[in-house]
Amino acid sequence: GIQVEQSPPDLILQEGANSTLRCNFSDSVNNLQWFHQNPWGQLINLFYIPSGTKQNGRLSATTVATERYSLLYISSSQTTDSGVYFCRIDGAGSYQLTFGKGTKLSVIP
Amino acid sequence: NAGVTQTPKFRILKIGQSMTLQCTQDMNHNYMYWYRQDPGMGLKLIYYSVGAGITDKGEVPNGYNVSRSTTEDFPLRLELAAPSQTSVYFCASSQGPGLYGYTFGSGTRLTVV
Repeated sequence: GIQVEQSPPDLILQEGANSTLRCNFSDSVNNLQWFHQNPWGQLINLFYIPSGTKQNGRLSATTVATERYSLLYISSSQTTDSGVYFCRIDGAGSYQLTFGKGTKLSVIP
Repeated sequence: NAGVTQTPKFRILKIGQSMTLQCTQDMNHNYMYWYRQDPGMGLKLIYYSVGAGITDKGEVPNGYNVSRSTTEDFPLRLELAAPSQTSVYFCASSQGPGLYGYTFGSGTRLTVV
């Protein structure tokens, strides 16, 4: 199956700092999505981004499908950004979604 | 529009007990899914359904059963709870296959002791 690797596994930021989270995948994918799991366990959809660049407020994401990676940018981080960020991909013709292990982000005041 | 509703939010089971995790969606989505998330791991697909009356196994179906008698409901049944089933369970629905418009429930934290 497709392998998904996220880096870094853990990240601690001072409030106001910027960060880049990375998701590498081992094969061609149909779709890719970034999720934020908040400290209460809720999963929030961030971006559906099989290719290209999208922005939503302080967050943006870029997927370069030909080079098999995606980046999630968080600018001017806030404490509410804390949690785990998951990259998830969808292989061709499958309902089985492959998740990375996540990047745990802690934003401290 | 409530989205995807999961109940209960928390539950503690003894080994060998049974329970049903409820999942209801009001978006008229055909596709529904059950995932489990173990600590430090991503989500793993347990079962999925592409429409009423149709279900299929995902990555980790052992120890679980599902049914899909209506479009709205997709309950997950644990027949003989085991400690390995301690996890957080998420139900999701989507308009189409893959990552098309996924909506997740808020999760059920299950502990088997």
